[in-house]
Amino acid sequence: TQLLEQSPQFLSIQEGENLTVYCNSSSVFSSLQWYRQEPGEGPVLLVTVVTGGEVKKLKRLTFQFGDARKDSSLHITAAQPGDTGLYLCAGAGEGSGGSNYKLTFGKGTLLTVNP
Amino acid sequence: NAGVMQNPRHLVRRRGQEARLRCSPMKGHSHVYWYRQLPEEGLKFMVYLQKENIIDESGMPKERFSAEFPKEGPSILRIQQVVRGDSAAYFCASSPTLWDRGFEAFFGQGTRLTVV
Repeated sequence: TQLLEQSPQFLSIQEGENLTVYCNSSSVFSSLQWYRQEPGEGPVLLVTVVTGGEVKKLKRLTFQFGDARKDSSLHITAAQPGDTGLYLCAGAGEGSGGSNYKLTFGKGTLLTVNP
Repeated sequence: NAGVMQNPRHLVRRRGQEARLRCSPMKGHSHVYWYRQLPEEGLKFMVYLQKENIIDESGMPKERFSAEFPKEGPSILRIQQVVRGDSAAYFCASSPTLWDRGFEAFFGQGTRLTVV
């Protein structure tokens, strides 16, 4: 059973377009992280959201944590080729077996931004 | 600050050999976690260690796998008598504390293990 479902699985867009990727669960998480992973590298932490309804912005990236802390979204404005990568969401807390240190990962959204 | 350092980056082992993967956490971090990423699968938790203690090894196979984080030196993930199914990317992560506002883990670049 995959606790965190990410959609879409693949996304290919042109430079300058906007996009949103989603991370959904039936379980509640005490915190949720977004990572970006490039081929052959480890996941790089982008943001952590903790409070239901929380919105965080990181330059052209906007992250939102759902009110019920079961889902999250990542919106990228004016995508650039450098945004290409695998975007992973990971939750800790109740939905992760109750452990606040054990991350449950989604399978990721593979984003390709074409010049 | 140096990030989480893992070595080697790539490791090739024949079936039946031992694999040793090393991880040095970020400076100031005393919590270490190991995750495994199998092809076409997401990252899966294996084990959580603090200095000289295994806190949670619920995600680690009961046989052939062991982990340690000694008082001095890096954390080691050891796989004995490797089989082809052990081929995967193994990632180490570290965190400063569990009681900050939201748990955050910082990952290393991983060790890609190939069993031939």
